[in-house]
Amino acid sequence: SAVISQKPSRDICQRGTSLTIQCQVDSQVTMMFWYRQQPGQSLTLIATANQGSEATYESGFVIDKFPISRPNLTFSTLTVSNMSPEDSSIYLCSVGSGGAYEQYFGPGTRLTVT
Amino acid sequence: AQSVTQLDSQVPVFEEAPVELRCNYSSSVSVYLFWYVQYPNQGLQLLLKYLSGSTLVKGINGFEAEFNKSQTSFHLRKPSVHISDTAEYFCAVSDWKGDKIIFGKGTRLHILP
Repeated sequence: SAVISQKPSRDICQRGTSLTIQCQVDSQVTMMFWYRQQPGQSLTLIATANQGSEATYESGFVIDKFPISRPNLTFSTLTVSNMSPEDSSIYLCSVGSGGAYEQYFGPGTRLTVT
Repeated sequence: AQSVTQLDSQVPVFEEAPVELRCNYSSSVSVYLFWYVQYPNQGLQLLLKYLSGSTLVKGINGFEAEFNKSQTSFHLRKPSVHISDTAEYFCAVSDWKGDKIIFGKGTRLHILP
């Protein structure tokens, strides 16, 4: 399985600002995913980021709010823009296995917006 | 579209007792099924998966799950739990394309001493 790291591990931000979260994988992967886990809730897929193409966003998530970059096969960033307290969540990146049937997750970024 | 229902939000169980965490799915096509575990303040770890073949799937840490197509269930079991099993457990489903995983709401397993 892939080893995935995320930076920062946690942050406290003021409303109206933006935060960029980095996701680094120790091997080349085609499919990367970004999830949000609100307090006490399950995971909700924000978008799928494949290298060489635009990210595909799920219903309820838009590029202006959550821009994603995928410059190569081992790295991706998610930016949470113009933050409000409702954006306080854990943000997790994951990567697909060879057939993408299962996913491997990073440790998450715990974001608090005040 | 697929969906996953985890019937219990919390399950308390005494240490060394057996446990079953229930999961039902809904799908009109063939599916792949997963159980993930999230220990406190950590990311998700894959416990086990069902892709095809034997309906009884064994995973890590002594867990197993049984795929029941007629009942559209994929319940997770362990014959004897330990305090270290305290965690949130997520059932998840993917369709045959495998390009998206849908997660259930999670079940918090609380081990009583």
